[in-house]
Amino acid sequence: NAGVTQTPKFQVLKTGQSMTLQCAQDMNHEYMSWYRQDPGMGLRLIHYSVGAGITDQGEVPNGYNVSRSTTEDFPLRLLSAAPSQTSVYFCASSSRGLGSPLHFGNGTRLTVT
Amino acid sequence: GENVEQHPSTLSVQEGDSAVIKCTYSDSASNYFPWYKQELGKRPQLIIDIRSNVGEKKDQRIAVTLNKTAKHFSLHITETQPEDSAVYFCAASRGEYGNKLVFGAGTILRVKS
Repeated sequence: NAGVTQTPKFQVLKTGQSMTLQCAQDMNHEYMSWYRQDPGMGLRLIHYSVGAGITDQGEVPNGYNVSRSTTEDFPLRLLSAAPSQTSVYFCASSSRGLGSPLHFGNGTRLTVT
Repeated sequence: GENVEQHPSTLSVQEGDSAVIKCTYSDSASNYFPWYKQELGKRPQLIIDIRSNVGEKKDQRIAVTLNKTAKHFSLHITETQPEDSAVYFCAASRGEYGNKLVFGAGTILRVKS
């Protein structure tokens, strides 16, 4: 049981480049989300999805796109990378319902130069 | 939207002492309050949580208390050990999709042996 798998682990981009961070879970979780973690700012929600075909914005969605074509996968796309997007990105999933634990992936460390 | 403030930002204690981390939230409709522990370079992991219909919950050396009237909740760690050293995050959420969590900025706990 792999849980939540994120790829890549590390990535360096130049300003203006685009890329996709991959996230897959094998727990049949309905809920999936993306957070970014910056020093002194905790974890901030970028986008989330409550099921295949349904996505919504979180606290900091600008510059990011998501889609949810299957229950398992929830990729995060950076359209035109900016230095302000340098961060550690975590994908997380859970079952539906209050109190279901949020399972995090191992994170992707992204640097934009 | 919800806003979660967490204090202190850093906390140093001697091994065996107790540690207390406090969080306040703004949305009176929030009804789920988890705590996550993140070791250096690792993913956040749930350590304890509490729902709004409960005032206190304990799990071995860890306890969480909730004061709905004052809109604050706290994490208590007793008999601290070096392996408790980590970053701790509080979070709050509401609604059926209880895992749309809003996180505090985190507390770096150092346990000195």
